[in-house]
Amino acid sequence: SQTIHQWPATLVQPVGSPLSLECTVEGTSNPNLYWYRQAAGRGLQLLFYSVGIGQISSEVPQNLSASRPQDRQFILSSKKLLLSDSGFYLCAWSPGSPLHFGNGTRLTVT
Amino acid sequence: RKEVEQDPGPFNVPEGATVAFNCTYSNSASQSFFWYRQDCRKEPKLLMSVYSSGNEDGRFTAQLNRASQYISLLIRDSKLSDSATYLCVAYRGNQFYFGTGTSLTVIP
Repeated sequence: SQTIHQWPATLVQPVGSPLSLECTVEGTSNPNLYWYRQAAGRGLQLLFYSVGIGQISSEVPQNLSASRPQDRQFILSSKKLLLSDSGFYLCAWSPGSPLHFGNGTRLTVT
Repeated sequence: RKEVEQDPGPFNVPEGATVAFNCTYSNSASQSFFWYRQDCRKEPKLLMSVYSSGNEDGRFTAQLNRASQYISLLIRDSKLSDSATYLCVAYRGNQFYFGTGTSLTVIP
C-alpha cells in the first residue's frame, strides 16, 4: 500500500532562518505531489505541485520554493523565513485522484 | 470568484440529528468531487468521493448536481465523533480546489 511521510511534525524557527521540509511517498511511482499551507483558522492554500521530477508549478508568489529531486521526494524550502510563513504545512500525493495527505508540519516562526 | 464555496458554519447539532452541508463550484470543467474531514490540528482525510448518481457510505450521503454546480453532504444520526471540519473539493487538471470548510460540532 502507499504511504506518505512528512517531517518534522513541529518546528520553531526564528525570522530570517532557512527552512527545509521533506516529504516522501512509498509504494507508488510517478505520483503527483503537492505542498499546501493552512494558516491558523484558515483554508488550505496550494503552494506548489509537481507532476514529475524537476517539474514544479508555483501557485502563489512568495519566498518559498520547492524541488523534486527524485520521483517520490518533494522538498519545500525557504532561504529566509518571515513571520507570515507560520502555519500548518501539508504534503500530499495523488495518483490522479483523490488526494492523500501526510501528517503535516506545524511551523512557528518567532 | 472562489473555485469552491462552502457555508463556514458553525453547525451545532444534537446527537442523533441530521445535518446537511452544501457546496458550490464555479468551473463547469471540474472533473471529480470529494468530501474531506479535518479534525483539529490534523491533516484532512478523505471521507468520500461524490458521484453524479449520488452515493452513500453508512450514515453519509453525497450528492452532485452538475447542472447547478452544487455538491452536498448529508450526515444522518450524528455522533459526537462526527465533530470536525468538512471540506468540499473539486478536481480539475491535476489540481484540487478546496473550500474553506464547514465546522460541525455534535452536542451530547
